[in-house]
Amino acid sequence: DIQMTQSPSSLSASVGDRVTITCRASQGIRSHLGWFQQKPGKAPKRLIYAASSLQSGVPSRFSGSGSGTEFTLTISNLQPEDFATYYCLQHNNYPLTFGGGTKVEIK
Amino acid sequence: EVQLVESGGGLVQPGGSLRLSCAVSGFTFTQYWMSWVRQAPGKGLEWLANIKQDGSEKHYVDSVKGRFTISRDNAKNSLYLQMDSLRAEDTAIYYCASHTNDYLGGFWGQGTKVTVSS
Repeated sequence: DIQMTQSPSSLSASVGDRVTITCRASQGIRSHLGWFQQKPGKAPKRLIYAASSLQSGVPSRFSGSGSGTEFTLTISNLQPEDFATYYCLQHNNYPLTFGGGTKVEIK
Repeated sequence: EVQLVESGGGLVQPGGSLRLSCAVSGFTFTQYWMSWVRQAPGKGLEWLANIKQDGSEKHYVDSVKGRFTISRDNAKNSLYLQMDSLRAEDTAIYYCASHTNDYLGGFWGQGTKVTVSS
């Protein structure tokens, strides 16, 4: 199985900050990666698919990059509604596997 | 409006069975692969299984293979997860999700809670 390692596992940031979350795959997954946001008690919401394609309706302050084994989710100009947990998901091999999550908290 | 509504969760004893359902409306169900994903209390997300548009192809994570069965009824716009031989570690919220743009997660249900306990 492909292991997805997210870092950091948590971070504290302020409104207006630029935040970067990294996801590393244990083997190459081309660009078959998605990013999800989850708030407490809610279903996940997809932000990015195919490593860098922005999901319809998602603000442009969210962006994704990377291919192969290293991927990044960047949130520019962090907003109050962005405080949540973020997960990556590899879609290249079965079983599909999520990263462990990154909790973004208010500083 | 797109809606995915899960049902069928509840309390079940270890070794028991449950059948989860996901009723879909607002998009063309027959065009998409569908998945089940779960989240144990306080834990991360775990993909469990998916099924092709016509039901001809299915994939499972090893932890549920042989115990869980994914299926769909395109005439009823519904997705199912038959869960047998349930264990305490299957306790989680179970979500159904569509594969849109060829990737999991375009649309999600609100989740249904499954508790396996004696």
